[in-house]
Amino acid sequence: DGGITQSPKYLFRKEGQNVTLSCEQNLNHDAMYWYRQDPGQGLRLIYYSQIVNDFQKGDIAEGYSVSREKKESFPLTVTSAQKNPTAFYLCASTKGTPGRTEAFFGQGTRLTVV
Amino acid sequence: GQNIDQPTEMTATEGAIVQINCTYQTSGFNGLFWYQQHAGEAPTFLSYNVLDGLEEKGRFSSFLSRSKGYSYLLLKELQMKDSASYLCAVRRNNAGNMLTFGGGTRLMVKP
Repeated sequence: DGGITQSPKYLFRKEGQNVTLSCEQNLNHDAMYWYRQDPGQGLRLIYYSQIVNDFQKGDIAEGYSVSREKKESFPLTVTSAQKNPTAFYLCASTKGTPGRTEAFFGQGTRLTVV
Repeated sequence: GQNIDQPTEMTATEGAIVQINCTYQTSGFNGLFWYQQHAGEAPTFLSYNVLDGLEEKGRFSSFLSRSKGYSYLLLKELQMKDSASYLCAVRRNNAGNMLTFGGGTRLMVKP
């Protein structure tokens, strides 16, 4: 079955550490996105990528980095520069073509700083 | 800038009808989506509007007025399992067709 997979589901990080969240899709989608969600809040865009080897900052990119070396993969690194990283992180993908192209979401990674 | 507003919380009774409103101000409008999100889970797609009017899909309908920057999601015959957050999202063609989300409306369905 086609889908989008995030791992791990839960992640604990010590202060000062970098951590990388995985996102893989086998939907052959061109565009991929990372969102952050805080409790009781909507989704805020961190980074997005429309094609391989290209990505753009979203609204809250500071303290995060991404890469897009393969169409299927869009990992997110939460660096020590991100002052408040505890949140629910959602990866999404779309076909990137006009028309009704809804975003498909992974199941999310809940990151906690300990 | 982009601005998408929804009520924070709503409460309704099982079997009733509820309307969740969404207003937006954005450039490059290229469609409006509604998603449902249960606590701790990923959002799931409910509906899409790009032209003015009503789209009906079973118990759920969504309406769009582009001139007013306004949409609503209508849920009929409410069930307890409809208790969730409902997210309004606008797609912008001047920003890689990415989705910008509102803060979400938490709906509680009571017996």
